[in-house]
Amino acid sequence: QVRLVESGGGLVQPGRSLRLSCAASGFTFSTYAMYWVRQAPGKGLEWVATISDDGTNLYHADPVRGRFTISRDNSRNTLYLQMNSLRTEDTAIYYCARAPWDDYGSYCDFWGQGTLVTVSS
Amino acid sequence: QPVLTQPPSASASLGASVTLTCALSSGYSNYKVDWYQQKPGMGPRFVMRVGTGGIVGSKGDGIPDRFSVLGSGLIRFLTIKNIQEEDEAVYHCGADHGTVSNFVGVFGGGTKLTVL
Repeated sequence: QVRLVESGGGLVQPGRSLRLSCAASGFTFSTYAMYWVRQAPGKGLEWVATISDDGTNLYHADPVRGRFTISRDNSRNTLYLQMNSLRTEDTAIYYCARAPWDDYGSYCDFWGQGTLVTVSS
Repeated sequence: QPVLTQPPSASASLGASVTLTCALSSGYSNYKVDWYQQKPGMGPRFVMRVGTGGIVGSKGDGIPDRFSVLGSGLIRFLTIKNIQEEDEAVYHCGADHGTVSNFVGVFGGGTKLTVL
């Protein structure tokens, strides 16, 4: 069955860096685009970044562009989110999601359980 | 890019029906939206996609037949019939916009559904 397991979250000071990982199993990882989506405490979902199946196309939301970078290693079935220059407003649960892409666009058909990132001094 | 607007809360009695709404901003009436269900402490679960012609593709794994969708103009509807206790959750709608060279994802604020 499809499984997505995020890791790498934790408490970090403002301005520091963190790298999140998402280990995928149960499907052919290299044939799916992938998303990172975050959720601040008590808030709704916020799109963070998307990467194409082969890793050549990267897209980042305006609040994180220039600070965060999405990447993937298809040989390791792993998705990453490198987070630099972290701010308190980046505090959230970060989810990875598998994203099929068809003529109607993309959507997230399976999600992980999330990893909590807390940015605080 | 589209903006998605959802009422913050809704409620329905056990066994009744409820319809949740997701409103697209002006100019995006041909867009599909994706519905997700999220229970406390868990990651979201894909429900189904909806365009102006109704469901797009298939429902998510294990989504009961009690869940259905419709689309009209700028509004996308998620209807749950014969509501059960396990349907109590936050329901989010999402969409994507753009091309290979310029892509964004968007989500509504979510609707918390309470089963009375």
